[in-house]
Amino acid sequence: QVQLVQSGAEVKKPGASVRVSCKASGYIFTSYYMHWVRQAPGQGLEWMGIINPSGGGSTSYAEKFQDRVTMTRDTSTSTVYMELSTLRSEDTAVYYCARDGGKQQLVRSNWFDPWGQGTLVTVSS
Amino acid sequence: DTQMTQSPSTLSASVGDRVTITCRASQSISRWLAWYQQKPGKAPKVLIYKASSLESGVPSRFSGSGSDTEFTLTISSLQPDDFATYYCQQYNVYPLTFGGGTKVEIK
Repeated sequence: QVQLVQSGAEVKKPGASVRVSCKASGYIFTSYYMHWVRQAPGQGLEWMGIINPSGGGSTSYAEKFQDRVTMTRDTSTSTVYMELSTLRSEDTAVYYCARDGGKQQLVRSNWFDPWGQGTLVTVSS
Repeated sequence: DTQMTQSPSTLSASVGDRVTITCRASQSISRWLAWYQQKPGKAPKVLIYKASSLESGVPSRFSGSGSDTEFTLTISSLQPDDFATYYCQQYNVYPLTFGGGTKVEIK
């Protein structure tokens, strides 16, 4: 079955960077786009961006994160990464990877299924 | 950005009740809308996509309807496993955006 397994919780100081990984299994990694979504404690869901795991790994980021986020992928290990820099306290959140939910390979549908288990990133001095 | 507004934000209901959650978009999104269920400490799970398509494995008591700017999620007969928070999400245009959520509580 399709599974997304994320890296463990992180604690970072303001100004630092964090990299979260998401290892995919149970499907052809390069056939489906991957998204990142975050959720601050007790708050709603916020889309960060999308990466195409095939080809050159093209990305599209939400404008809010454009200058601080980098999404990459390693096809040899079926893993996508999300790096967020210049962290501030407002970045404290659970970060989720989520596969594009579309039924056709390499066609972006832009809804999410399934999701990883989430990675809590805490930013605190 | 396309703003998504859900109502109510909290809903108290009993097992067996019919429950309806509304989601409104700030501009037309055609039928490019998904619904998710989230339980505490867990990742969201998709229920409905393209406004009314039931994802495989989701119980048939869940249904979605609507188009353009107004959408509804209906649970025909609320079950104990359905007490959770529900989110709508538009995927008509980037950035993808979510509603603020509706928490379904036990009455």
